[in-house]
Amino acid sequence: NAGVTQTPKFQVLKTGQSMTLQCAQDMNHNSMYWYRQDPGMGLRLIYYSASEGTTDKGEVPNGYNVSRLNKREFSLRLESAAPSQTSVYFCASTRRGALATSETQYFGPGTRLLVL
Amino acid sequence: DAKTTQPPSMDCAEGRAANLPCNHSTISGNEYVYWYRQIHSQGPQYIIHGLKNNETNEMASLIITEDRKSSTLILPHATLRDTAVYYCIVGSSNTGKLIFGQGTTLQVKP
Repeated sequence: NAGVTQTPKFQVLKTGQSMTLQCAQDMNHNSMYWYRQDPGMGLRLIYYSASEGTTDKGEVPNGYNVSRLNKREFSLRLESAAPSQTSVYFCASTRRGALATSETQYFGPGTRLLVL
Repeated sequence: DAKTTQPPSMDCAEGRAANLPCNHSTISGNEYVYWYRQIHSQGPQYIIHGLKNNETNEMASLIITEDRKSSTLILPHATLRDTAVYYCIVGSSNTGKLIFGQGTTLQVKP
């Protein structure tokens, strides 16, 4: 199993450009998450998808959109990138289910984004 | 979601136990305490979690106070590779959302 994979690993954008960060997991997990981490800070939740077909806002959703394409894939889109979105973006997944009481999250390696 | 409070940094001698405290005084009945760590800029790594009882696995032990308002992560024999930022998180089992705080930077010294 590859676990949680993210593409690209690095990206440089100019202000106003758009891009989509891709995330996929091969663990048959139900829930997926997008976080951002600014230098010296903890992770902040952007959006999450509790199950296929559903998405919900996290702490810092402004400027982002997400798509839960299928059970495996959860993408994050920046429609008009801004320098304030320079960050490291982490995707995570967790199994969860109707009878889940607690689940651990598995994280991808991150995408480092620089917006000039 | 309940908030957590951790010291910003701690040092520990190699081979000694590292005890990392966390306060979560507003934790509610269905919320778990999770510990993750992040080494350099890698993705966070799960360590351990618990609800009421103390827990132990191959990596660490988690001690939760009886009133559940605080907990301690114990790394029994810290090594240099345990140098990392450790996050204490209180999470709801309903949504699976984890709200990360600033964490504790643990420096293990030779």
